[in-house]
Amino acid sequence: DGGITQSPKYLFRKEGQNVTLSCEQNLNHDAMYWYRQDPGQGLRLIYYSQIVNDFQKGDIAEGYSVSREKKESFPLTVTSAQKNPTAFYLCASSGHGYGEQFFGPGTRLTVL
Amino acid sequence: ILNVEQSPQSLHVQEGDSTNFTCSFPSSNFYALHWYRWETAKSPEALFVMTLNGDEKKKGRISATLNTKEGYSYLYIKGSQPEDSATYLCAFGYNFNKFYFGSGTKLNVKP
Repeated sequence: DGGITQSPKYLFRKEGQNVTLSCEQNLNHDAMYWYRQDPGQGLRLIYYSQIVNDFQKGDIAEGYSVSREKKESFPLTVTSAQKNPTAFYLCASSGHGYGEQFFGPGTRLTVL
Repeated sequence: ILNVEQSPQSLHVQEGDSTNFTCSFPSSNFYALHWYRWETAKSPEALFVMTLNGDEKKKGRISATLNTKEGYSYLYIKGSQPEDSATYLCAFGYNFNKFYFGSGTKLNVKP
């Protein structure tokens, strides 16, 4: 059963802490993405990766970091430098077909 | 950052009504336009991938049209059903990796 998994579903973080959100896919897709959703706004691109060991900043990369050591995995670290990290985070992947994206279920991060 | 506008923001219709939404995007550097359906507690799923001016797609009661020259796409739902209740997202792409999403149209279909 192919798809994308994200964990955890809910995450609570104290101010000043780094946290890592997991994203795994078994669709054999080369490209993977991280988006952030805030109330009333569209999905905004944080980082994307076209291939293993390569990734590019999206429009709102400040305060985030990623790695792509395996094709299947694209974890996102929310660092203490991110000023307003409370949001819903979606991971996606894309193979062929004009960039059609397949999404995971999301992680809701709350900073306490 | 490119601007992708969706209207209306929300829509309440009765079962059996037909409805349509709009997605407006830049009219230059077009690569593809995606429509996604996002049901509550689920992941967004692609409805249509549109690539050519004049492209028209259909899936059951749902169809979409595309005008890249003027920068808009319409999504139509004929005979809305309660299971059509969801948020409908459009995403404008100017290359394979960079897509800009609208804030969505939230549709509620009352039985």
